Amino acid sequence: AQSVTQPDIHITVSEGASLELRCNYSYGATPYLFWYVQSPGQGLQLLLKYFSGDTLVQGIKGFEAEFKRSQSSFNLRKPSVHWSDAAEYFCAVGALYNNNDMRFGAGTRLTVKP
Amino acid sequence: DAGITQSPRHKVTETGTPVTLRCHQTENHRYMYWYRQDPGHGLRLIHYSYGVKDTDKGEVSDGYSVSRSKTEDFLLTLESATSSQTSVYFCASMDRGLSGANVLTFGAGSRLTVL
Repeated sequence: AQSVTQPDIHITVSEGASLELRCNYSYGATPYLFWYVQSPGQGLQLLLKYFSGDTLVQGIKGFEAEFKRSQSSFNLRKPSVHWSDAAEYFCAVGALYNNNDMRFGAGTRLTVKP
Repeated sequence: DAGITQSPRHKVTETGTPVTLRCHQTENHRYMYWYRQDPGHGLRLIHYSYGVKDTDKGEVSDGYSVSRSKTEDFLLTLESATSSQTSVYFCASMDRGLSGANVLTFGAGSRLTVL
């Protein structure tokens, strides 16, 4: 079964600084990868997804992620963080045509310093 | 409003009592899911449904049951709540895209505390 590891439980960055959140996955076939964001008291919102093709994917709110098969990674990046980006971020891996085996990482909580 | 509505949003109950959480979606999605979110674990799948009256177990299904009598409603029941079921519960739905991949739409969550 697939699994997802987010090595950083909590990250603090200054507003305007760049951000990279790490995600490593384990999966035997081509993974379908996702990043979700959860603001306090809210559900999860899809930031971006990777299915195939270009390994650099663009998402909403200025986020991007790069799929690196050789490193089994799908790291999330943003060049300049805004205070409103403070939230919890979840990486997830799913399988084609198996809607019921999506696995989520434990999440990374992002704090943004003024 | 469109999207997914969960009720109640907050509930405190006592050990041994039954609890039902409701999920209502207006997306006409075929697939619906119940997850629980716990610190250090991310989201874990409890049960899912792939159509009216069609449900199956997920990763952490013990102590939970579900029912889906209509496309738009998916109920999660704890027959006899235990303290280990204190958690935040999320409902999600999905209508598989042409690519076959899985994009979930989530509700706002239901926080359950079992004393």
